[in-house]
Amino acid sequence: GAVVSQHPSWVICKSGTSVKIECRSLDFQATTMFWYRQFPKQSLMLMATSNEGSKATYEQGVEKDKFLINHASLTLSTLTVTSAHPEDSSFYICSTQRKYEQYFGPGTRLTVT
Amino acid sequence: AQTVTQSQPEMSVQEAETVTLSCTYDTSESDYYLFWYKQPPSRQMILVIRQEAYKQQNATENRFSVNFQKAAKSFSLKISDSQLGDAAMYFCAYRPTQGGSEKLVFGKGTKLTVNP
Repeated sequence: GAVVSQHPSWVICKSGTSVKIECRSLDFQATTMFWYRQFPKQSLMLMATSNEGSKATYEQGVEKDKFLINHASLTLSTLTVTSAHPEDSSFYICSTQRKYEQYFGPGTRLTVT
Repeated sequence: AQTVTQSQPEMSVQEAETVTLSCTYDTSESDYYLFWYKQPPSRQMILVIRQEAYKQQNATENRFSVNFQKAAKSFSLKISDSQLGDAAMYFCAYRPTQGGSEKLVFGKGTKLTVNP
């Protein structure tokens, strides 16, 4: 398997502020990471694919300027929610790709007040 | 586009009994991977089992096994001797092996309740 961490696990921020979520691959170098969003009682929705050293690929309907993704190293990808609003409140999950399997981080609960 | 359908939003099983979760998918690809992921209340996604489409033999991991019917595009998960710790959301997922896409396509999930 693979070990993936996320930080923070839970964050509360005020509307209009930005918040950064870190995703780390702890035991192997991940050239590709994925960011998902999950609403309560729903499935995972892929937001973007993060590639080390290049721009992320966003899924249709995901605002690039709203959700900034940086994959600056083989072990770290970050998701920054800019000018957060209450509708951005959600559970955000990252994953790494190793061979043909994805391994998931424990998730970050974002609450925007 | 590939789709994954889980027709059972909720299922329940008695402890020590067997339960089967259904999953169907739609694809024009001939080679792909199928997965079952478990998401307990902690919300940590855990890989339960994996099946390569080119393999005819059904995958098995301890109490978890699949019934993979490629022609019918069906991929069900059987949990034997159910335990309280099996209670979770279960997601079926698909991924092609070709075409450069590493993206997983998830079903909507099945909530499994295990009754003591």
